[in-house]
Amino acid sequence: QSALTQPPSASGSPGQSVTISCTGTSSDVGGYNYVSWYQQHPGKAPKLMIYEVSKRPSGVPDRFSGSKSGNTASLTVSGLQTEDEADYYCSSYAGSNTPYVFGTGTKVTVL
Amino acid sequence: EVQLLQSGGGLVQPGGSLRLSCAASGFTFSSYVMNWVRQAPGKGLEWVSGISGRSGTTDYAFYADSVKGRFTISRDSSKNTLYLQMNSLRVEDTAVYYCAPSLGVAGPFDYWGQGTLVTVSS
Repeated sequence: QSALTQPPSASGSPGQSVTISCTGTSSDVGGYNYVSWYQQHPGKAPKLMIYEVSKRPSGVPDRFSGSKSGNTASLTVSGLQTEDEADYYCSSYAGSNTPYVFGTGTKVTVL
Repeated sequence: EVQLLQSGGGLVQPGGSLRLSCAASGFTFSSYVMNWVRQAPGKGLEWVSGISGRSGTTDYAFYADSVKGRFTISRDSSKNTLYLQMNSLRVEDTAVYYCAPSLGVAGPFDYWGQGTLVTVSS
């Protein structure tokens, strides 16, 4: 099972929006509505930001939103804040043999 | 409050063995699939293994191809603890290992342990 493809980096100024893509195949992203997004600050454990494509866990700001079209999922961070600077990983269910596949990760920089 | 307290990491030579533990509290341990996810230094996340199971039923374990046949996942519901027995360790197994519960095999990882570093080096 290959990793999902994400751009290595993305950036935006405070208050702007940034969108990160996550491209897989019909065997993972395109086949199930089980795409999650995680935020990871240096030296910290990942934090769940989006699950089931577009749902936000309690406590996650509504500035974070998710969507999916075909084999590509996207995470949009609106109204960028300095604390949003982190690595972001997507993940998708990929079937019963290897349930989870992660994306390659995107470093978001707030300029 | 959900807590996942990990232990057992360290330095081991190639070909050696190590056992990781993850003591869980604050949620119904038996209702969750328990997983291990790792992150090599400077690299991305990789799901390693997961185990389902409810009290009184047979646990079902599943593994990434990269560790199949070398790692064994298990859980002790009487102690609310997850384990990962790692044998025949390779340099490329060097990573921070996280435990993470999920509701169902496809569920997201709502909570993560603090991570434990495993270094495989001669």
